[in-house]
Formats: sequence, C-alpha cells, structure tokens
Amino acid sequence: SQQGEEDPQALSIQEGENATMNCSYKTSINNLQWYRQNSGRGLVHLILIRSNEREKHSGRLRVTLDTSKKSSSLLITASRAADTASYFCATVSGGSYIPTFGRGTSLIVHP
Amino acid sequence: SAVISQKPSRDICQRGTSLTIQCQVDSQVTMMFWYRQQPGQSLTLIATANQGSEATYESGFVIDKFPISRPNLTFSTLTVSNMSPEDSSIYLCSGLVNEKLFFGSGTQLSVL
Repeated sequence: SQQGEEDPQALSIQEGENATMNCSYKTSINNLQWYRQNSGRGLVHLILIRSNEREKHSGRLRVTLDTSKKSSSLLITASRAADTASYFCATVSGGSYIPTFGRGTSLIVHP
Repeated sequence: SAVISQKPSRDICQRGTSLTIQCQVDSQVTMMFWYRQQPGQSLTLIATANQGSEATYESGFVIDKFPISRPNLTFSTLTVSNMSPEDSSIYLCSGLVNEKLFFGSGTQLSVL
C-alpha cells in the first residue's frame, strides 16, 4: 500500500522559478527519499533524509522533514527545463528496507 | 551509485504470450527488486528477487504469472506470463545499495 502522497499532482513553472513539492505520509518512518523519473524511464535517487534530520541540501535541491506533521518538502531552486520530470517521495518504515513510493508530482519547467 | 542494465527497453507482444526481462546489476547491490508502473501511476513492488531461491511476492502478485529467477548475486529475470492487455506497463528492475534504490531504464511493455 502507498505511504507517501505527493502534492501537487502537477506543477508548471517558468525556468528560473523555484519549484516546491510536498509529501505526506501516514506512519512513522526510518527515512524518506526523493527520486526523479524522466519520461517514464528508470528512477534516479536524489536525496535521503533520516527521521532525526530536519533539512538536507544537494546542489539546487533542498529537502525538509517534519516528523510531527509527517510531511516532507522538496525545493528545486532556479529551475531549468531539464528539471522537467516526475518526482516521487518514498518512505522506509519499521523493519523494512524497501522504499514505498507515493504517486508523484509531475513538474514541467517551461524555457 | 550502481549500474543497473535492463533489457529489452520495450516490446510489443501478443495476448497469451510471455516475455522475459533481464536485469544485470553491479556487485554493490545487496538486494534486487522488480516493480511495475502502470500508465500515470506510481511504482508497485512485484517481488524481491532472492538469490538461489524463490522470490518473495507482494500481495496481488503470484509466481505463476510473474516467475522470477536470480541464479546469482548480479543477475535476475522477470517473466510476464500469459499476457493480457492489462499487463501493459513499465517494468522496472532495481537494486538496493546503502539504503538507496538504483533502477534500470525500464521495459515498456505493450500487449495487444
């Protein structure tokens, strides 16, 4: 069953703008991960944030985690047309080591 | 990172036939998984491929329909058997390295 739910389902912005995607989940997690998928192909791991962390950065990506609200956000700053993709959050909970994926946010960045 | 090679990248098949998808991973991978992604949907885990033994299937997936082999640490196959149009999906092989999943490029399957 799905754990994370992304919001919004679709996002359309202009190049240079920031894009923010949110993920909410239902049960306690060990970690939360964000992945990118281009054109229905294989997913690419972007960033992993653990339950005892609140914020992580990687290049133009910033991920926050609020365990009290059971939510995470992915911020892409100064977006580029090449950032056009679907973005998925995935949670790892309990004794499992297998990420469970949400439905994803489809991001379109217009040049 | 890890290198995951999957083939074929796409296929168009007739109803009632079977297709075998191959996946080769590099030696860093500790666990291998097979996912299905139906059009516009999220990823659904089909099974964990276990080396030298039967795969561990998730609810709703059975060995007769999706036989999986993993004869060694770095190679696995997924067969989609007796296909119907409802099996049209992207099938993704993935490997776990240090808590992170790495994916093959996927197999886009269309069943006519």
